[in-house]
Amino acid sequence: QLVLTQSPSASASLGGSVKLTCSLSRGHSSYAIAWHQQQPEKGPRFLMKLNSDGSHTRGDGVPDRFSGSSSGAERSLTIFSLESEDEADYFCQTWDTGIVVFGGGTKLTVL
Amino acid sequence: QVHLVESGGGVVQPGRSLRLSCAASGFTFNSYAMHWVRQSPGKGLEWVAVLSHDGSDAYYADSLKGRFTISRDNYNSNLYLQMNFLRAEDTAVYYCARNLGGRDMATIIFDSWGQGTLVTVSS
Repeated sequence: QLVLTQSPSASASLGGSVKLTCSLSRGHSSYAIAWHQQQPEKGPRFLMKLNSDGSHTRGDGVPDRFSGSSSGAERSLTIFSLESEDEADYFCQTWDTGIVVFGGGTKLTVL
Repeated sequence: QVHLVESGGGVVQPGRSLRLSCAASGFTFNSYAMHWVRQSPGKGLEWVAVLSHDGSDAYYADSLKGRFTISRDNYNSNLYLQMNFLRAEDTAVYYCARNLGGRDMATIIFDSWGQGTLVTVSS
């Protein structure tokens, strides 16, 4: 069964960096995913498509402070030079034939 | 600039129907498959349905088949979701979203989202 697992919360300091991780279920380590950001009271925003080899394509207007990487079944989003508006929910998403799967999301607090 | 604006949400009684709309602008609407995705506090994000760029192919989440129908008007760049026999568990914010792959539905990634419209099913 295709499942995405995320830690429910994370925190980091203003100006610092943070790495958020999304883990693919066993047998699905070759899957690409997408990262999305959702600020409070707003619709989601596409950040990037992240492939199993770590290559990634950012969405329009997404700054290069947002970077993706992959290791095995883990897909990570690293945010550098944290700003206050980066405080948001971050969720990963993938798909297979006939299904779309979302991770539970990570709530990022910028201290 | 891609712009998606949902409308049509509101409070509806169980068993009734509701039709959601999504007005699209800033891109060639008829070149993209389009989705509906919903978000509820209890269940998080859930994909609802996708419709091909020309409206010929539609796919639904298994849990919703038979109650929801996705459609589109490419002339006016609108996407719709007809929801019938609504249940309390359908209460959610409903988003329309554009497919990253354009006409290609083999890749399902949402590269643009609307702001959502809230549907509350309650007596």
